[in-house]
Amino acid sequence: KAGVTQTPRYLIKTRGQQVTLSCSPISGHRSVSWYQQTPGQGLQFLFEYFSETQRNKGNFPGRFSGRQFSNSRSEMNVSTLELGDSALYLCASSLAKIAGDTDTQYFGPGTRLTVL
Amino acid sequence: AQSVTQPDIHITVSEGASLELRCNYSYGATPYLFWYVQSPGQGLQLLLKYFSGDTLVQGIKGFEAEFKRSQSSFNLRKPSVHWSDAAEYFCAVGASQGSGGGADGLTFGKGTHLIIQP
Repeated sequence: KAGVTQTPRYLIKTRGQQVTLSCSPISGHRSVSWYQQTPGQGLQFLFEYFSETQRNKGNFPGRFSGRQFSNSRSEMNVSTLELGDSALYLCASSLAKIAGDTDTQYFGPGTRLTVL
Repeated sequence: AQSVTQPDIHITVSEGASLELRCNYSYGATPYLFWYVQSPGQGLQLLLKYFSGDTLVQGIKGFEAEFKRSQSSFNLRKPSVHWSDAAEYFCAVGASQGSGGGADGLTFGKGTHLIIQP
């Protein structure tokens, strides 16, 4: 089975712009989570989607949003980019069978976003 | 709220020596526990996980971890490290099954950077 894929792998944007990142989960996985990784804050949970519904969101401003499609692929969007948004954005999928279930999360390679 | 502490930011070990990476967690019930490894510029690879049952779990690449409820710990061990084990290691905790907390994501420790000396 193919793993979690994320596109693009690298992205450079300037302050004020917006960006969309894409994630394709492992086939059969309905749960997709997003995390932000920075040297200062480490790995932080952004949000989780299950069957096209956002189930929960971490402590991030409203500039961070996402969605999930019927084929479980997910996108996250960051509007009005700030320098502090520079990070590695990781997507993970799991085989959780019902919303709110916990199961092993498998991570993609991440998208490295640099904001200038 | 759940939390994870990895007390060692950096650890240096000689190749062939044994390794133990520490992880302490805070969670109201029996948690789900994970160890992931990250090489530079890469995503996270799952090493092993504990959900229930035997408290000593075996993972990939010769790693094992022991869940100790009394100490709220889930330390990672390897009897003999290889130069290719040099990486960043993350311990994570997730809500237990049936709690409905799976949507809260995983809570990660800050990571331990493992350096292997020749």
